[in-house]
Amino acid sequence: DAGVIQSPRHEVTEMGQEVTLRCKPISGHDYLFWYRQTMMRGLELLIYFNNNVPIDDSGMPEDRFSAKMPNASFSTLKIQPSEPRDSAVYFCASRPREGTEAFFGQGTRLTVV
Amino acid sequence: AQSVTQPDIHITVSEGASLELRCNYSYGATPYLFWYVQSPGQGLQLLLKYFSGDTLVQGIKGFEAEFKRSQSSFNLRKPSVHWSDAAEYFCAVGAGGTASKLTFGTGTRLQVTL
Repeated sequence: DAGVIQSPRHEVTEMGQEVTLRCKPISGHDYLFWYRQTMMRGLELLIYFNNNVPIDDSGMPEDRFSAKMPNASFSTLKIQPSEPRDSAVYFCASRPREGTEAFFGQGTRLTVV
Repeated sequence: AQSVTQPDIHITVSEGASLELRCNYSYGATPYLFWYVQSPGQGLQLLLKYFSGDTLVQGIKGFEAEFKRSQSSFNLRKPSVHWSDAAEYFCAVGAGGTASKLTFGTGTRLQVTL
């Protein structure tokens, strides 16, 4: 398996624009997580899904953030409208039902100017 | 709510020297504890984990960690550091029945001098 695949790797956008980050989890994994990493706040869990259903979105910072998982092989994290303080590295991770190790993608570095 | 403290932001060691990275956690029940490593521009890779049983756990790349309940600690150790170990190290505690919600520490950046 190629691991967790995130796209794009880098995104630069202007404030106010819509940004969509994409994630393909490892095949067969039931859990999918979205994390945000910043210098100030470290790694924060934004939301996670189990079998495509959002289980806990308490970490989503604002209504400008939304996440979907339309099927077992694809998830998106959308920011609309984007703001400079959203600049961060966003990680997607997946995990099998049986097991506790989360496998991380390489991340998307988002810069909002 | 669970929390993790990594008191050392940055550590420098010489190649071949021993290493200990500190981690203290706060969690009301028996914790699931993890150490992850992040190389520049990369995602996180699991080094080792603890759920129960033997309090000394072995991981990949020659790392080990010891769970000490009385001290609420889960320190990471390596007897002899290699230059390739330079990276950022994160301690995490998992909550919930399946440890689904990981709370990470702020990380310790390890620099290795030759």
